[in-house]
Amino acid sequence: GQSLEQPSEVTAVEGAIVQINCTYQTSGFYGLSWYQQHDGGAPTFLSYNALDGLEETGRFSSFLSRSDSYGYLLLQELQMKDSASYFCAVRDSGNTPLVFGKGTRLSVIA
Amino acid sequence: DVKVTQSSRYLVKRTGEKVFLECVQDMDHENMFWYRQDPGLGLRLIYFSYDVKMKEKGDIPEGYSVSREKKERFSLILESASTNQTSMYLCASSLANYEQYFGPGTRLTVT
Repeated sequence: GQSLEQPSEVTAVEGAIVQINCTYQTSGFYGLSWYQQHDGGAPTFLSYNALDGLEETGRFSSFLSRSDSYGYLLLQELQMKDSASYFCAVRDSGNTPLVFGKGTRLSVIA
Repeated sequence: DVKVTQSSRYLVKRTGEKVFLECVQDMDHENMFWYRQDPGLGLRLIYFSYDVKMKEKGDIPEGYSVSREKKERFSLILESASTNQTSMYLCASSLANYEQYFGPGTRLTVT
C-alpha cells in the first residue's frame, strides 16, 4: 500500500523558520509535491521534487531524500498569511494520480 | 492562468436525491480529478480521467459515478445522496501529473 506521514499541526512565530516533514511508503516513486490550502480556499501547488536535494522558490524551499523516503517543506521569514494547511503528495508512477498526505495545519503566531 | 470552475460553492440536497457536480477547466488539460475533503482525512480521490470518455476509479468510488463527454468538463454524480456524502468536493485538472489546479470546491450538505 501507500502511506504518507506528516505532522497534523505545527505552530511557529512570525519571522521564524518552520520545517514540515513528510515521510512516505509507496510501491514506486517519481516525485514529491507540496500544496498549500488556506481555510475556505482551494489547494494551490507550491513545489515539486523529483531528484534529491533542495529546491528554492522565494521564502519556500522543498527538500527530498529518495534514499530516506523523506522530504520537507521549509518556510522562512514566516508571515501571518502563511497560516494554512500544507499537504505533501507523492507521484508513485507515470500514470497514477497523486497520493496526498492528510495535511499539516500551520499556525503562525505573533 | 488556469481556471477551474465548479458549478456551485454550496449545495443542500435531501437523502436519496440524485446530485450532479460540474467541473469545467479552460486550459485544455487532459487530466481531471474529483476529490472529497473531510477534516482529518485529507484529500481522497474519488474518480479521475485522463481523456475524454475515459474514467478510472480512485480510492473511494462507492456511491459515485462520473461523466466526461468533453475534454473541458468532468461531472461527478451521486446516484442517491446519503448523509455520509456530506463533504467538500474538489475538482482538479492537470497537464503534468504532479501539478494539479483545483477549483474552489463545492460544500455539499445532505440532509
